[in-house]
Amino acid sequence: GAVVSQHPSRVICKSGTSVKIECRSLDFQATTMFWYRQFPKKSLMLMATSNEGSKATYEQGVEKDKFLINHASLTLSTLTVTSAHPEDSSFYICSARLAGGGTGELFFGEGSRLTVL
Amino acid sequence: GENVEQHPSTLSVQEGDSAVIKCTYSDSASNYFPWYKQELGKRPQLIIDIRSNVGEKKDQRIAVTLNKTAKHFSLHITETQPEDSAVYFCAARPYSGNTPLVFGKGTRLSVIA
Repeated sequence: GAVVSQHPSRVICKSGTSVKIECRSLDFQATTMFWYRQFPKKSLMLMATSNEGSKATYEQGVEKDKFLINHASLTLSTLTVTSAHPEDSSFYICSARLAGGGTGELFFGEGSRLTVL
Repeated sequence: GENVEQHPSTLSVQEGDSAVIKCTYSDSASNYFPWYKQELGKRPQLIIDIRSNVGEKKDQRIAVTLNKTAKHFSLHITETQPEDSAVYFCAARPYSGNTPLVFGKGTRLSVIA
């Protein structure tokens, strides 16, 4: 299947700093990527839809100024958590679908565990 | 928008027994229903999916059934093994376009040897 790579897998930062997470589709082009957040023992909560070459679409309740998303190419989307706080600590997972839809399957990155001290 | 409900939240079965997880959805426009398995600390992996033009799909020990009229779909795992222990998520979305998947809350399956 298609491969989505996410980096870093773990990051620890101090409150007030910003953290960037990268999501890459390694062997396919993805015009759309999705960013999810997962709390311990909880479901995948959609944060935003990242569209190549245009602004991301954020879900209700997600602060666009805090979670900056950039999708500059067909293989890379980035999520930047700005001015991080301890409550931002979570597991962030990106996912991508083949450009053109393909089978409809969503491919997930490995996830990034953010810990804000 | 779409809302997906999943039950039960936890499920324990003896090795060799069957496990059934049920989901309901609200948006009649949804026509793609995947199931993902997530092991602790790892990414979700697609295990089976079904589209609304079929009522049942089977892949070895795993099967999914869909009742579009009632808006519910179920995952069936037969002859469970300890390695089936994980969290399982159902999801739904309209197949066309770039709409995101909406996930259920997950079911933690424990297979007891």
